[in-house]
Amino acid sequence: AQTVTQSQPEMSVQEAETVTLSCTYDTSESDYYLFWYKQPPSRQMILVIRQEAYKQQNATENRFSVNFQKAAKSFSLKISDSQLGDAAMYFCAYKRQGAQKLVFGQGTRLTINP
Amino acid sequence: KAGVTQTPRYLIKTRGQQVTLSCSPISGHRSVSWYQQTPGQGLQFLFEYFSETQRNKGNFPGRFSGRQFSNSRSEMNVSTLELGDSALYLCASSLMDRVDGYTFGSGTRLTVV
Repeated sequence: AQTVTQSQPEMSVQEAETVTLSCTYDTSESDYYLFWYKQPPSRQMILVIRQEAYKQQNATENRFSVNFQKAAKSFSLKISDSQLGDAAMYFCAYKRQGAQKLVFGQGTRLTINP
Repeated sequence: KAGVTQTPRYLIKTRGQQVTLSCSPISGHRSVSWYQQTPGQGLQFLFEYFSETQRNKGNFPGRFSGRQFSNSRSEMNVSTLELGDSALYLCASSLMDRVDGYTFGSGTRLTVV
């Protein structure tokens, strides 16, 4: 079974600084997708960024970028120029190609200090 | 366009009762998935429906069931509620199997007393 591990239950960063959230996963599949979701107090899960496993280039979305290391099964999220609105729970998730379900990590609570 | 709508937002039930939660997907989305979120177990997949058919089911007891209607709206039902069923129940809709199409609702917070 696929598993996703986030080893940092909590992280904090100063506003405008850069922070990296870690995620590792375990799978025997070769075709899959990885995601980072953000869950603010409103409870809605919001897609931050996604990565297709077949793509070697790391995904980037504005201030958010990932470091995807397929061989190491590592998928970290870097947030640059942190803003107060980035404070939330962040979940790393995995989806096998063709499957309908997302497998989530336990989450990292990110605090932004003004 | 309107997002994924889940009702009710909060619910308090007594042990042994049953409950029905509703999810209205984004217009045009035919796939609806349900997840249970608890502090101890995190986010766990319950089931997924596409065109009124359950395509996949997570590892939950038979007390958890669901259905999807012809307009893609989905309901999940939990019978004989237990204290451990207290959780945030999240629904997500998507356009078929597009990986970037998962849109989540704000969930229903169920408390069992």
